[in-house]
Amino acid sequence: NAGVTQTPKFRVLKTGQSMTLLCAQDMNHEYMYWYRQDPGMGLRLIHYSVGEGTTAKGEVPDGYNVSRLKKQNFLLGLESAAPSQTSVYFCASRPPGLGETQYFGPGTRLLVL
Amino acid sequence: GQQVMQIPQYQHVQEGEDFTTYCNSSTTLSNIQWYKQRPGGHPVFLIQLVKSGEVKKQKRLTFQFGEAKKNSSLHITATQTTDVGTYFCAMSLGYQKVTFGTGTKLQVIP
Repeated sequence: NAGVTQTPKFRVLKTGQSMTLLCAQDMNHEYMYWYRQDPGMGLRLIHYSVGEGTTAKGEVPDGYNVSRLKKQNFLLGLESAAPSQTSVYFCASRPPGLGETQYFGPGTRLLVL
Repeated sequence: GQQVMQIPQYQHVQEGEDFTTYCNSSTTLSNIQWYKQRPGGHPVFLIQLVKSGEVKKQKRLTFQFGEAKKNSSLHITATQTTDVGTYFCAMSLGYQKVTFGTGTKLQVIP
């Protein structure tokens, strides 16, 4: 099993450009998450999904959109990138239930100039 | 909303010294998880604590959940260079989400 994979690993964007980050998991997990990680701020939840076709806002959703058309995939979109979105983005998945372990992908480093 | 304070933010220790990081919540928790992130890597689950006053050990790592279930600690005995990384606590927000602490970055000096 590959676990959780993320595409791409690294990307440079210019302000105003758009892009989509792809997360895929092969563990048949219901729940999937997108986090961003910035120095000194830990992991902040952007959006999450508790099942195919469902999405919900997290702590810092502005400037991002998501889609979960298939159970194994969770897409994060930036419609008009801003320098403030320079960050490392992590996807995670887990089974439903209280306290279940989250499994993280390797991360995508995004630089917005 | 639920807030997670984790201290210290950074810690440098000599190899062989002990290390402790603390996690404090403003509300009573149902459980707490600990994750480790190596430099350049992604967070990896270490352990979960559920019961009041619970103590769990993994080799040189000791995890403790407070009696009031509002705080937790991770203690590493005799640190090694392989312990380098950032340690996060994470708390459940209901059944669907968790909130992560800001993390403690540990540097071990050989």
